[in-house]
Amino acid sequence: AQSVSQHNHHVILSEAASLELGCNYSYGGTVNLFWYVQYPGQHLQLLLKYFSGDPLVKGIKGFEAEFIKSKFSFNLRKPSVQWSDTAEYFCAAPGGSQGNLIFGKGTKLSVKP
Amino acid sequence: EAGVVQSPRYKIIEKKQPVAFWCNPISGHNTLYWYLQNLGQGPELLIRYENEEAVDDSQLPKDRFSAERLKGVDSTLKIQPAELGDSAVYLCASSLDQGGSGSYNEQFFGPGTRLTVL
Repeated sequence: AQSVSQHNHHVILSEAASLELGCNYSYGGTVNLFWYVQYPGQHLQLLLKYFSGDPLVKGIKGFEAEFIKSKFSFNLRKPSVQWSDTAEYFCAAPGGSQGNLIFGKGTKLSVKP
Repeated sequence: EAGVVQSPRYKIIEKKQPVAFWCNPISGHNTLYWYLQNLGQGPELLIRYENEEAVDDSQLPKDRFSAERLKGVDSTLKIQPAELGDSAVYLCASSLDQGGSGSYNEQFFGPGTRLTVL
């Protein structure tokens, strides 16, 4: 079955620490990978996406993600987190019918000031 | 530009009662999604519309859930009768899919409706 796995349920970091959130997907077709973020009290919004080309993609607010085909991974990174990065992060990949996405369970990031 | 609008934001009902959620997508967006999000989980697709056509409703529990998107704009999701296990956040999202059926474009999410069934 198609699935998206996020390894960490809750990550707690201090400001300026580096961040890496894991995401693995099981999908053998055309790769379209996404990271969405939900800040406290706000809507889910797109952080970054990968469709093709350079496997290192850059998103908003200094986030980046690397697509590693051999590992079926699309990990999210940020060199130095800020308190304002406190949010829940969801990885998504194609699943089900063409055009549908499957979301991971999410990783809650808490950044201590 | 206005975002995806959902109402109500919160709804508390007793089990076996009916409930309806409304969604107004971003103007011009042809694809509309309804998702269910349980606590501690990611969104799970219930139904996807392309214009007024439901192109994927395979995950919609059709014995109690129904949805419509008349005129290919607003959409309503209904549950009748509601059960305790239906307590969750119901999200609506929309996207502009110029690439044809089955393209993967950015989805814009609404604030969701938090349903509590007592």
